[in-house]
Parts: sequence; structure tokens; C-alpha cells
Amino acid sequence: NAGVTQTPKFQVLKTGQSMTLQCAQDMNHEYMSWYRQDPGMGLRLIHYSVGAGITDQGEVPNGYNVSRSTTEDFPLRLLSAAPSQTSVYFCASTRRGGPQETQYFGPGTRLLVL
Amino acid sequence: GENVEQHPSTLSVQEGDSAVIKCTYSDSASNYFPWYKQELGKRPQLIIDIRSNVGEKKDQRIAVTLNKTAKHFSLHITETQPEDSAVYFCAASIGYGQNFVFGPGTRLSVLP
Repeated sequence: NAGVTQTPKFQVLKTGQSMTLQCAQDMNHEYMSWYRQDPGMGLRLIHYSVGAGITDQGEVPNGYNVSRSTTEDFPLRLLSAAPSQTSVYFCASTRRGGPQETQYFGPGTRLLVL
Repeated sequence: GENVEQHPSTLSVQEGDSAVIKCTYSDSASNYFPWYKQELGKRPQLIIDIRSNVGEKKDQRIAVTLNKTAKHFSLHITETQPEDSAVYFCAASIGYGQNFVFGPGTRLSVLP
């Protein structure tokens, strides 16, 4: 299993550009989430999905869109990039049930918006 | 919504000493409390977790305690080693692992 994969690893955007951060998992997990991590602020939930076709907003959803057409993929779209979106983005998937609700994180995408 | 506070923000200990990190949560409906370790430039990784029906859980040098009444939980690391140096995050969630809310993190430094 590859686990949770994210592409790209690093991206530079200009203000106003749009882009999609890709996330995929091969563990057949129902739950997937996107977080952003800023220095000193921990991880903040952007959007999450409890299954294909179902998405919901997290703590900081503004400026981002998601879709979940398949169990495996959960892309995050930046509609019009702003410098405030400079951050490290982590995708995660969660195994439901059992002794642990283990949340597996992808390697992250570092985004710089100029 | 849920709010998770974490203290201290930085912690330095001598190798071999114990380290304790404390978190409080606001939503009494939260029932799952994981702890993550994040090394520099790496992804967060689960190190231990606890459910609301358990008061304490141990895994070798790591233990977590939960006080539901006071709505706080703590991470205890004994016999610290330099490789324990990292940022540690606590989190709380309601239901089946969705909607995790993270604390701001504690940077632990284990001094040789």
C-alpha cells in the first residue's frame, strides 16, 4: 500500500492563480480530510468527507473547494490564491472502527503564494 | 464548536527525565483523543490515543491519561531520549474520527 499520497510536494503561485492539490489513498478509508498547518497554530481543518459524494466544511473553508467523486481521491482546489494561503497542506484519511480511529497523513504540500 | 488548548508550548528536559504535556477540551461530546508526533519537515504520526471510556493507556515509555470530568488529558513520556525531540499535538474528535480539532502543539527538546 502506498498509503496517503499528495502532489505536488511544493508549489509557488502568484496571487489570483488557481490550482488543485491532489490527494489519494489506497486503504479504502471512508473518511478523508484536508488540513493546513501554519507556524504556531497546529493543524486546522479545511474540509472533510465522510464518503464518496459527501463533503463538509471544517474550521477554515473559505477560499477552498473540495469534491469526493471516488473513495480514493479527495482533491483540494484553491479558487484564487492569496498570500494568506501560504501554508503546508496535509491530507489525511481515517480508518473507521476497531481499537483505533487511526488518522493517516500524507507527506504534505508546501504552498507559497506571492 | 470544539476548542483544544495545549500547554506548555515549549518544553526542555534532560535525557532520562520525564515529560508531561497537558491538553484541555471544551466539548463534552468529544470521545476520542489522539496524540501525534511531528518531526521537522515530516508528517504527523499517531503515537498513542485514548477513548472516553478509558482513564489511562500505556505503550512502553508513553502513557496518556484522561479526566472526563475536568475535560483534560495528558501525555506522559518517561525516560526521555534525544529522538523524542519533536512537536507533539493533541487532538479531540466526536464520533468516528471525523472532525479532529488539534491543539497548537508542544515543542519538546530532550537535551543530552
